[in-house]
Parts: sequence; structure tokens; C-alpha cells
Amino acid sequence: TQLLEQSPQFLSIQEGENLTVYCNSSSVFSSLQWYRQEPGEGPVLLVTVVTGGEVKKLKRLTFQFGDARKDSSLHITAAQPGDTGLYLCALRLSTSGTYKYIFGTGTRLKVLA
Amino acid sequence: NAGVMQNPRHLVRRRGQEARLRCSPMKGHSHVYWYRQLPEEGLKFMVYLQKENIIDESGMPKERFSAEFPKEGPSILRIQQVVRGDSAAYFCASSPQDRTSEQFFGPGTRLTVL
Repeated sequence: TQLLEQSPQFLSIQEGENLTVYCNSSSVFSSLQWYRQEPGEGPVLLVTVVTGGEVKKLKRLTFQFGDARKDSSLHITAAQPGDTGLYLCALRLSTSGTYKYIFGTGTRLKVLA
Repeated sequence: NAGVMQNPRHLVRRRGQEARLRCSPMKGHSHVYWYRQLPEEGLKFMVYLQKENIIDESGMPKERFSAEFPKEGPSILRIQQVVRGDSAAYFCASSPQDRTSEQFFGPGTRLTVL
């Protein structure tokens, strides 16, 4: 079973539209990260959310962490072609004093000019 | 202020050959993570290393795959006797310490097995 489920898997929209993508888990997590990955490149961290109910804004991007810390959303206002990419959520698991990151399945966004 | 470097960027191997993927972490970073990404999928954790130590290799196949991060030089992910199913993008990420810091990803190595 996938620890982190992202939806939708694929999204194609016109420039100027708004969109929301989701990241859900059946488990509670202490923090969650959102990344964007462009074709042929590695993921780049956008934000880390830590507190239940937390909302963070990054220009036209709004990130929300659910109150129960089991889900998160990313909302993009007035999408632009430069927003095209794979959006990944990830959580950091702590086991025996070490850490590893678990990534979601990703949402592939295409913004058409 | 170079970022995480990976080489080669593209690697083609025939079935049965060995693939060696290199990762140079950012300056001052002593923690390295390797991930595999299949087409149209997210990243799958493979292994977490500190200098001269494998900390967590729970995501790495038990056979044919090995990783090291020597005291000097880059981290190496080695795949012996490659098969077509090994074709994927392999990403390395580094961080200065594992408790509070983010990971910085390299551009990846795209391995194609013919």
C-alpha cells in the first residue's frame, strides 16, 4: 500500500485557471514537504509544513496542512505555463534515530498557454 | 557554490553489464540519499548513507545493488549485472545534517538498459 496518495495523477489546464492538488495518508505525520520536479531535473523543495492547520503562501502557491496532520493541499492561483511539472509531496519518517523520506505518487501538471 | 552533482547524466548499458552512478554532495554535506524514479512515478527511497557508513538500506534490492560513501570522493551506487527493469532515473540528494535540514537533489542519472 502507498503511504502517501496524491490526486489527481494528471491535470491539464489553461493558463490563468486555478487548481488544487491533494496529498493524503492514513497515518499522521509530523511534517510534510512539497516539491516540484521539471522534466530532466531533480525535485526542488517548495515548502515544509509542520503544524496542523498551517497555511503557507509562496507567491501564487498556497499550501495547507490538515488539522489532523494526515493530509495536505497545494492550491495554485492563475496558473502559468512555468508551473508545469511534477508536484510531489513527501514525509520524513524517523526510525531508530535515523530518517528517510517517503514520496507520494505525484501529480503531473500541464499548463497550456 | 555548486549544487549536488551527479554523473553521468545518461548511461546506457547492455544486460549483464555493471552500472556505476556517482554523486558529489553539496560542499559541507555529509548525508546522502539515493532514490529511484520509474517513468510516470514518484521517487522511491533506496539508501541513506553518511561518510563511510550505510545508515538505512531498506529500500535497496538485496542483490546486485550496492552503495558506498567513502571518506574521500563521491558516493557511488553500483548495479551489477543490470537487467531491463533497472532502467530508471536515479537521483541523489544531500543534506548537511539529518535532523532539521532539507534535502537538495541532483539532476539525476538516467540509466537505460538495452
